[in-house]
Amino acid sequence: ETGVTQTPRHLVMGMTNKKSLKCEQHLGHNAMYWYKQSAKKPLELMFVYSLEERVENNSVPSRFSPECPNSSHLFLHLHTLQPEDSALYLCASSQVYDRESDNEQFFGPGTRLTVL
Amino acid sequence: AQKITQTQPGMFVQEKEAVTLDCTYDTSDPSYGLFWYKQPSSGEMIFLIYQGSYDQQNATEGRYSLNFQKARKSANLVISASQLGDSAMYFCAMREGASFQKLVFGTGTRLLVSP
Repeated sequence: ETGVTQTPRHLVMGMTNKKSLKCEQHLGHNAMYWYKQSAKKPLELMFVYSLEERVENNSVPSRFSPECPNSSHLFLHLHTLQPEDSALYLCASSQVYDRESDNEQFFGPGTRLTVL
Repeated sequence: AQKITQTQPGMFVQEKEAVTLDCTYDTSDPSYGLFWYKQPSSGEMIFLIYQGSYDQQNATEGRYSLNFQKARKSANLVISASQLGDSAMYFCAMREGASFQKLVFGTGTRLLVSP
């Protein structure tokens, strides 16, 4: 496997289900990200794990719970989601040296989530 | 206020022609970075080009160049010699200040390249 992989690629779940999205990066990076891409809306950053810190977007509801057990793996745990949470969820990774350094983020193919 | 504005929802261009995709940004921070990404129908975001706020010259990467006009706060993407494979969504994004590479994205421009 190379780059950033995400599983599953497609997920359909009911509002009462609990599921998890998985992301794995094979690039040796030290930062990982979750983004949400809804139709006709800008890509929205949900969570960042970087330099041993977790940064989150305050607007993300608590029914989304991230977990980053090591620098290569990132999970997004989902519970009691709403239909408006249906979207493409993208994972990304990058190499971070300090807060202001710029390196491109490498994205995975995304998980297409549908909440019924 | 929107941080990144892409005013062109869709653009058409003929193969082998050049096309400019517009992006304006809003920040008061002197340190920022600007990125362009391409998203084909497969969903994966592909990095194209980067411009730092302190860079004196416009960035270029193969057929991609960034027309950076700092005073006007614009960072337009120019694709030269368009190819059919360039058909995709294109997103402009900005990293603002000391923000751990937290990128803010625009709404995107859909580019269609015709034969």
